[in-house]
Order: sequence, then C-alpha cells, then structure tokens
Amino acid sequence: EVLLLESGGGSVEPGGSLRLSCEASGFIFKNYAMSWVRQAPGKGLEWVSTISAGGSTVDYADSVKGRFTVSRDNSKSTLFVHMSSLRVEDTAFYYCAKGTSAVITPGDWFDPWGQGTLVAVSS
Amino acid sequence: SFELTQPPSVSVSPGQTANITCSGVNLGDKFVFWYQQKPGQSPVLLIYQDNKRPSGIPERFSGSNSDNTATLTISGTQALDDGDYYCHSWDTRAVFGGGTKLTVL
Repeated sequence: EVLLLESGGGSVEPGGSLRLSCEASGFIFKNYAMSWVRQAPGKGLEWVSTISAGGSTVDYADSVKGRFTVSRDNSKSTLFVHMSSLRVEDTAFYYCAKGTSAVITPGDWFDPWGQGTLVAVSS
Repeated sequence: SFELTQPPSVSVSPGQTANITCSGVNLGDKFVFWYQQKPGQSPVLLIYQDNKRPSGIPERFSGSNSDNTATLTISGTQALDDGDYYCHSWDTRAVFGGGTKLTVL
C-alpha cells in the first residue's frame, strides 16, 4: 500500500521559516515525481510545487517562488519543502502527493495524497 | 493565466444523476482529472485522463471532456457521495478548479 506521511507543520510568525517532510512508503520513491498541494482552511486546492524523480527539475507556483524550496532524499524516500519569509496567506494544510511518472508532464495526476500537515502563520 | 471554473455547489436527490462541470479555454485539448474530498479528509482521485476510473472507484462515477467543458457525472447518487469535488488540469503548471460542494438531499 502506498503511504505518504507529512510532518513538520505548526505555528509560525510572519517572516519565519518552517520545513515540512513527507515520508513515503509502498512504492519505489526514486522513480516518481512528487508534488506539494496546499489548501487554506475552508478553501480550495492550490498547487505549490512539483519535483522530478531525480530532483533535478523543480517547478513552483508564482505565489511561493523564491520563498519555498522543494527537495528530496531518495535514499530516505522523503520529500521536503523549506518555507521561508512566510506570510499569513501561506496558512494552509500542506499535502504531498505522488505523481505517475519520473518527470513533470501535463498528463500527470496526483495519487495518492498524504493526510496533510497544518501550517499556521500569524502574529 | 489558465483558469478552471466550477459551480460552487450542486444539489441532487438520492438515486438521481449529478453533473459537475469544469470549464476552461480549450479544455478539451487537455487531460482533466477529478478528486473527491470529504470533510476532514485528503483528496482522493476519482477520474484520470478525462474518463478513466482508478481501481476501487465505483462505476457510478464517470467523466467526459470536450470543447471547453469537462463533466463529472455521478449516476445513482448516494448519501456517501456528499463532499467537495475538484477538477484538475495543466497549463504550463498544474491548475485546480475552485471546487464544487455536492449536497445529496
């Protein structure tokens, strides 16, 4: 069974930093692109970033570009996002999701998703 | 920028058919994916590549996509289908629709 387990969420003040992790199991992690998708409380889904299987290619939403850095450790089957210069509007549940191929393509979908971890940015 | 538009809410009686639309410019030229999210839970893939169902998804869920509109159809809607539904496609990046709250009453 494919499982994704996010951790690292919490409360942080505006301008602060936080690192989220997503531990994967049940599949060959190094073979698949992975993504982060977030959801503000009571709101819809927003794609944040996708990283290719090898980690050489990463794409970001304009809303986080320059502030978030996504990486992965294939030896530990773990995906990361380092978030800095956090803003109130970054408050959301952050989900990691598995892609369907090694590279980022317009034909990919997200399946499955982790249970999410909540990041709350406030003063 | 590429946008996907969904109706905020759809209501349906049990046993009837629910149609949830997702609109975008030339959406029929792209693949569309659908996810179901129940309160307090993570999204679950319902439909991929316009009309394919992953294993374990009931046959009452189906999808179509042409021109500027993709449609998720739920036949014989059940009370447990209550929840939020999101369409997803790609421009240069992944894009989600705003979500549709399905109420079965």
